[in-house]
Order: sequence, then structure tokens, then C-alpha cells
Amino acid sequence: RKEVEQDPGPFNVPEGATVAFNCTYSNSASQSFFWYRQDCRKEPKLLMSVYSSGNEDGRFTAQLNRASQYISLLIRDSKLSDSATYLCVVTPNTGNQFYFGTGTSLTVIP
Amino acid sequence: SAVISQKPSRDICQRGTSLTIQCQVDSQVTMMFWYRQQPGQSLTLIATANQGSEATYESGFVIDKFPISRPNLTFSTLTVSNMSPEDSSIYLCSVEGGHRNTIYFGEGSWLTVV
Repeated sequence: RKEVEQDPGPFNVPEGATVAFNCTYSNSASQSFFWYRQDCRKEPKLLMSVYSSGNEDGRFTAQLNRASQYISLLIRDSKLSDSATYLCVVTPNTGNQFYFGTGTSLTVIP
Repeated sequence: SAVISQKPSRDICQRGTSLTIQCQVDSQVTMMFWYRQQPGQSLTLIATANQGSEATYESGFVIDKFPISRPNLTFSTLTVSNMSPEDSSIYLCSVEGGHRNTIYFGEGSWLTVV
């Protein structure tokens, strides 16, 4: 079983829509969780960390469900500029192991 | 967050040749990481580069194919040796840092082997 699994999509949504991605992880001892955004032919960039209590940054909300071992990313009021691939990243501890999902492709359509 | 510069940003290489990618960080870091992202795939860790010691390679990657140098705390190189079309990929240098040990990436080096 992969350390981290994501639905690859693609998700094609109209502007203004709300879209949610899930990511499951296999190691229950995982400590840190992140969402990264990767634009076409660019490097991944940190979008937001995922805290146990959930966290929100503008139109973006991240949630962690430890019992079911998944994290989610909710994007409200989608913009054209949100089109990208969203990667979830999980670390088992503060060491140097980072496990990446394969990414979920989002295209926001005018 | 760390500022990481990589070069070359992209290159087209002949099969059988080797290419060295350079990575410069704007602050001293203990570990630097080299990832590969093949088309349509997620990131795969090649090796961890520690200053003053040999790099630690992940399963499926060997030093003869991907020699790494780490001469100081701000710089590392990755060489892709004896390239084949299967090596066409983006190669990313990264460091860990910041709050909650987030990982940061360089801009990547896009290699196409023909």
C-alpha cells in the first residue's frame, strides 16, 4: 500500500464552484501534513499546513481526520488561477521523510 | 522560507552523456534532498545529501548513476550519468526548514534526453 494516496482527478469545475480533495495516508504515526500546489512545469509550493484542529486561509480550508487517516482540502469560490495540481504531503515525524501523493489535477473553467 | 536556486533550469541532452545540476541555498542547511518527478508522476526521493559525508540513496537509486556532491552547507550538485530517455524528468533540489519542518523546493531542472 502506498504511504499517501490521492484521487488524481482531473477535477473540472466552473468558476465560483466549491471543490474538495481528499488524501489518505497509511502510517497512523504520521505527524505533519501539508498541501502543496504545483503549476504546470513548475516546482511544488507550500499552500498550507494542516493542523489537527483544521485551519482556514481565505478560500482554502484544510482538515485532518486522524481516526480515518485522511486530510482534505476545500476550495470555495474557485478562481481560474486555482487551476493547478494539488499534492498532499505527509511526514511520519520531524525527520527527513516526506511522502508525496501523486497529486490531484484541478481545472477551473470560465 | 529558504531561497533555493537551481541550474540549469532546463536542458536537452544526448543519450549517453552526463549532466550536473547545481543547487544553491541562501542559508546553511544540514540536509539537502534531491527528488525526481517523471512526467505525470509524483515526486520520488533520490537521495539525501549531508555535508561532510556520502549521500544516502533511496532504493532504486545508486551512486554510480546519480553521484552527489555536498562541499558545504549551502551547495550541492546532482549528476545524472550516462543518460537515457527514461531519465527525462524534472529534478528538484529541496531543503527542510521553517515552521513544522516544511519542505521547500528549488525551481527544478527539466531534462529531456534524446
